[in-house]
Amino acid sequence: AQSVSQHNHHVILSEAASLELGCNYSYGGTVNLFWYVQYPGQHLQLLLKYFSGDPLVKGIKGFEAEFIKSKFSFNLRKPSVQWSDTAEYFCAVNALKNRDDKIIFGKGTRLHILP
Amino acid sequence: NAGVTQTPKFQVLKTGQSMTLQCAQDMNHNSMYWYRQDPGMGLRLIYYSASEGTTDKGEVPNGYNVSRLNKREFSLRLESAAPSQTSVYFCASSERGRSSGRALNEQFFGPGTRLTVL
Repeated sequence: AQSVSQHNHHVILSEAASLELGCNYSYGGTVNLFWYVQYPGQHLQLLLKYFSGDPLVKGIKGFEAEFIKSKFSFNLRKPSVQWSDTAEYFCAVNALKNRDDKIIFGKGTRLHILP
Repeated sequence: NAGVTQTPKFQVLKTGQSMTLQCAQDMNHNSMYWYRQDPGMGLRLIYYSASEGTTDKGEVPNGYNVSRLNKREFSLRLESAAPSQTSVYFCASSERGRSSGRALNEQFFGPGTRLTVL
């Protein structure tokens, strides 16, 4: 069965610090990969996605993620965080075997940026 | 476009009461989903519907039923609510397009329903 692991449950950073959130998945076939963000009191919004091609994906608000197939990883990065990045971040995976429409989410990483 | 809409936004039930959460999307998507979100648990899939007329169980289906009324609407029913069903419920939809032979599955989420069962 597919699963997604996010290594950090809570991360606290100061503004301008660099960010890297880890995500690993457990499926050996072809996958689609996503990072979603949930700002306080809001619903999930897509940050970025990887389907194919360049493994370094750029998303909104200066976020990027790198797909490393050999490590089954899709880590999220941002060079310099802002207070407004305070949110919960979810990694998600869709395995393409049998054209399954399910997307499996990680448990989330709560990011708190100190002003 | 309104995207994905959910009603109600908030609901308080007593144990044993029933209710239906409504979800509608206006993006002509084939697939629709119901998730629950609990602290530290991420999003857990309750049920999903890959197309009109079909539904499948997700990770945590017990205590819930769903109806895919038409392509736009996907409702979630709690027949006999329990305190363990206190949660935030999100509906989502997605489209299975094709690009270079791969299916596209970006999901669009509704605003959520905060349910408390006493």
